Amino acid sequence: TQLLEQSPQFLSIQEGENLTVYCNSSSVFSSLQWYRQEPGEGPVLLVTVVTGGEVKKLKRLTFQFGDARKDSSLHITAAQPGDTGLYLCAGDSGGSNYKLTFGKGTLLTVNP
Amino acid sequence: GAVVSQHPSWVICKSGTSVKIECRSLDFQATTMFWYRQFPKQSLMLMATSNEGSKATYEQGVEKDKFLINHASLTLSTLTVTSAHPEDSSFYICSARSRGRGGYTFGSGTRLTVV
Repeated sequence: TQLLEQSPQFLSIQEGENLTVYCNSSSVFSSLQWYRQEPGEGPVLLVTVVTGGEVKKLKRLTFQFGDARKDSSLHITAAQPGDTGLYLCAGDSGGSNYKLTFGKGTLLTVNP
Repeated sequence: GAVVSQHPSWVICKSGTSVKIECRSLDFQATTMFWYRQFPKQSLMLMATSNEGSKATYEQGVEKDKFLINHASLTLSTLTVTSAHPEDSSFYICSARSRGRGGYTFGSGTRLTVV
């Protein structure tokens, strides 16, 4: 069974601060995805990283995929209250029996 | 872009009754659909995977007789919670994947409350 360890589980910061969320596994994934979810809604895809060592930027969000494709991080610069939400990493097993394995999530609160 | 429509968005049912949740892919053929359960402030827990025309594959610990999944067409999958109990109250989310285009598209979720 592939497992994803996501940390921290809860994070409360002030507006303007930076933060990093980590996602680690002992397994290799064909790709890793990051989602953001608002209460009462489905998760929304932020980014998919596929290549080991890959770095992707989405405005103030920077995503990295480890060289061995087992870990990833999400860094938010100058967090804003609108960034508040549940951030989820998910590993795609790929192959013929593909499915997403989700980390436990990081509940981020950005206080004004 | 790919859209998955999930209905109802919320439902309240009495203990002992059954409730059906629908998940439709609107603009693509969903060869595989996934059903998740989510408790407040927690992550998504995969319940089962279904391929069109085949029986669903349930994750360990998920009662297949309680959570009936049907994936009879390439655009529709249903989850029926049978003989619901208050502990079945949760947020249920579906996701669809197309073999051709890849990626996972999520529905907007269904809040089930059993009273």
